[in-house]
Amino acid sequence: GAVVSQHPSWVICKSGTSVKIECRSLDFQATTMFWYRQFPKQSLMLMATSNEGSKATYEQGVEKDKFLINHASLTLSTLTVTSAHPEDSSFYICSARDRRANTGELFFGEGSRLTVL
Amino acid sequence: GQNIDQPTEMTATEGAIVQINCTYQTSGFNGLFWYQQHAGEAPTFLSYNVLDGLEEKGRFSSFLSRSKGYSYLLLKELQMKDSASYLCAVPVIAYSGAGSYQLTFGKGTKLSVIP
Repeated sequence: GAVVSQHPSWVICKSGTSVKIECRSLDFQATTMFWYRQFPKQSLMLMATSNEGSKATYEQGVEKDKFLINHASLTLSTLTVTSAHPEDSSFYICSARDRRANTGELFFGEGSRLTVL
Repeated sequence: GQNIDQPTEMTATEGAIVQINCTYQTSGFNGLFWYQQHAGEAPTFLSYNVLDGLEEKGRFSSFLSRSKGYSYLLLKELQMKDSASYLCAVPVIAYSGAGSYQLTFGKGTKLSVIP
């Protein structure tokens, strides 16, 4: 099946620093990628929809200036958590859909666990 | 909007059969997904139903009734490795891009398989 690679898998940073997470579709092109956040024992919550070549669409309650999303190519989207704080510590997961596929199946990255000290 | 309900936790014995239910309310219907998620890992795809009925795939089967807004995931011959959260999800067409979908997930059912 299609592969989505996410990097880094783990990151620990100090409060106030910025962290960039990359999401790559390795064997397919994705005009749209999705970023989710999952707090412990909770379900995945969609943060934003990343659109290649245009601005991301953010879900209600998600600060676009804090979570910067760039989708510069058909295989790469990046999420930058700016001025991270301990409450941003979470599991961030990206997913992508093969633009040639007829189903809505999404392929997920491995996830990135962010810990802000 | 979308509303998805599934039980929070279930426990079953190794070798047994377990059924995880999911009810949903959506403004439009584009199928229903089941994902498995082990603790600390990303979800993995299990099934996609768009037509009514049962679809079997090895030990896992998924059922859909569109008229009732109801689906279930059936796991047979349970193994210890099946202990995980099972997420019911419905795609919603995102008009920001042609053919784009985004998934809305239920809260997940944590299944514990015991010896």
